[in-house]
Amino acid sequence: DAGITQSPRHKVTETGTPVTLRCHQTENHRYMYWYRQDPGHGLRLIHYSYGVKDTDKGEVSDGYSVSRSKTEDFLLTLESATSSQTSVYFCAISSDPESGGYTFGSGTRLTVV
Amino acid sequence: QKEVEQDPGPLSVPEGAIVSLNCTYSNSAFQYFMWYRQYSRKGPELLMYTYSSGNKEDGRFTAQVDKSSKYISLFIRDSQPSDSATYLCAMDLSGNTGKLIFGQGTTLQVKP
Repeated sequence: DAGITQSPRHKVTETGTPVTLRCHQTENHRYMYWYRQDPGHGLRLIHYSYGVKDTDKGEVSDGYSVSRSKTEDFLLTLESATSSQTSVYFCAISSDPESGGYTFGSGTRLTVV
Repeated sequence: QKEVEQDPGPLSVPEGAIVSLNCTYSNSAFQYFMWYRQYSRKGPELLMYTYSSGNKEDGRFTAQVDKSSKYISLFIRDSQPSDSATYLCAMDLSGNTGKLIFGQGTTLQVKP
């Protein structure tokens, strides 16, 4: 997806290990979001950011933390991965949420074994 | 009860059919309504965006919002095999938060 890159695309990790997912944008958008997608639940918001060092919790934030030290990067950290965090994680960016202009990345498929 | 309910399908139609996709919601405060299309192993992409009640048309796609019934619809005319994807409805309380509430998605297959 143009302007937004997620890394890694796939990861398998062991229970109890910390994991960091990266979202990088080249659009200079102010707003960035992390969602997870699970069967039967659609996408659910984990954390979001309105700017550098300005972050807040979403609907399913327990066990996750985020950081945004630069406009272009939004990091999602699983402090101690659990099997319930096996999911597909999507980053989204927006310059103007009120216009509906959200762009999603291609996702990171995380498996916790 | 989930805030946003969407029948997961799958829905299978022949090429050229009119497709109707629907979501119901419980929170009357939602004002912004969206439809996303998601191809397999890809991120969602915005199809339609509507504020409050009414209709919006874009090519073969029409979005309808009925706030009195808490019901939104997406119609696809002259459906094509390339429309085969998962369609997700999403809603926002204020339109400027990005804190979207999604339905679980409806999987659509359009057969040639």
